[in-house]
Amino acid sequence: GENVEQHPSTLSVQEGDSAVIKCTYSDSASNYFPWYKQELGKGPQLIIDIRSNVGEKKDQRIAVTLNKTAKHFSLHITETQPEDSAVYFCAASIRSSASKIIFGSGTRLSIRP
Amino acid sequence: ETGVTQSPTHLIKTRGQQVTLRCSSQSGHNTVSWYQQALGQGPQFIFQYYREEENGRGNFPPRFSGLQFPNYSSELNVNALELDDSALYLCASSLAVGLETQYFGPGTRLLVL
Repeated sequence: GENVEQHPSTLSVQEGDSAVIKCTYSDSASNYFPWYKQELGKGPQLIIDIRSNVGEKKDQRIAVTLNKTAKHFSLHITETQPEDSAVYFCAASIRSSASKIIFGSGTRLSIRP
Repeated sequence: ETGVTQSPTHLIKTRGQQVTLRCSSQSGHNTVSWYQQALGQGPQFIFQYYREEENGRGNFPPRFSGLQFPNYSSELNVNALELDDSALYLCASSLAVGLETQYFGPGTRLLVL
């Protein structure tokens, strides 16, 4: 069935350094890949998304890349700040009449001062 | 613009009881999806509602049911609660059915004793 794998499960980086989170998906029909940030006690917040007709997308310090052939996609955060500390989820979806989102297991990112 | 809201924020029930969780979609959004997030895991799709009808369902038993009202708000009902139902229940709304971008509410944390 549909599956999204996410690595690493925990990540600690020095403030100002970059953080990279990697995901793979199983269903080749997936065509939409959102990334969510979840802070303690809150719901997931969409931070960036990419569609299958695009290989890369950037929004300020955040960038996502997609390799459809390898079924890999990644999140890159540059110049990390303390407020970037949270759990990050990658996800995959198929645009259809019922667009359910399949989530990865999450990466707990900690920014060291 | 009002975001997705959910009530209650926390709930404690005992095994065998029934529970109803409520969600108001973001202004202008007509499609609502429900997810279950167990501790330390990514959210799992329960079902989606569009035009007051179920429009897609994940691998959850029939004791998980829902409703959508004419104002697009929604309810999640769980009968015969089990200990494993303890989780954060998330509601997400999207602008229209088939559009992938989903915006999440803060969730309802359910504890089953």
